[in-house]
Amino acid sequence: RKEVEQDPGPFNVPEGATVAFNCTYSNSASQSFFWYRQDCRKEPKLLMSVYSSGNEDGRFTAQLNRASQYISLLIRDSKLSDSATYLCVVNMQNSGYALNFGKGTSLLVTP
Amino acid sequence: GAVVSQHPSRVICKSGTSVKIECRSLDFQATTMFWYRQFPKQSLMLMATSNEGSKATYEQGVEKDKFLINHASLTLSTLTVTSAHPEDSSFYICSAINRDRMSYEQYFGPGTRLTVT
Repeated sequence: RKEVEQDPGPFNVPEGATVAFNCTYSNSASQSFFWYRQDCRKEPKLLMSVYSSGNEDGRFTAQLNRASQYISLLIRDSKLSDSATYLCVVNMQNSGYALNFGKGTSLLVTP
Repeated sequence: GAVVSQHPSRVICKSGTSVKIECRSLDFQATTMFWYRQFPKQSLMLMATSNEGSKATYEQGVEKDKFLINHASLTLSTLTVTSAHPEDSSFYICSAINRDRMSYEQYFGPGTRLTVT
């Protein structure tokens, strides 16, 4: 079983739509969680950290359910510029600060 | 800011040669740097963790004699792919942790695209 699993998509949505991505992780001892965004042939960029109480940053809302080992990302009012691959990322408990990446969920926002 | 650079951004080499990739933290000190590899349509896979002044820790399945890592200073780590083969063609990305911040946030370099012919 992979440590971090995501639906690869692709998700094709029209501008202005709301879209949600889900992610599950296998290591219950994981402590830190993130969503990264990766554009084609570029390095990942941190979108937001995910906190236990849930957190919001503008149009983006992240949720964490430790009991279910489940993380979500909600994007409201999608923009064309949101088109990218969204990576669910969890710290590797036994490797200090090292991160474990999901394969990513591809989003395409269309006009 | 927290900027990480990589050099070169793209390299093409012949099979059997060695390639060195540099990763630098430009405006902060990084006690720990990580090297990842990403094949097309795959996730980033951690290759090794590089700690300044000590030997790198390699992930299972990564040959330490093939992928030589040196972290000689708080701002520079290098990855040398020795005796490269076409299957080593990939996108290599480094990241660094800012030692002044007690968090897991990693700052990524722009990546190096290696093509072995």
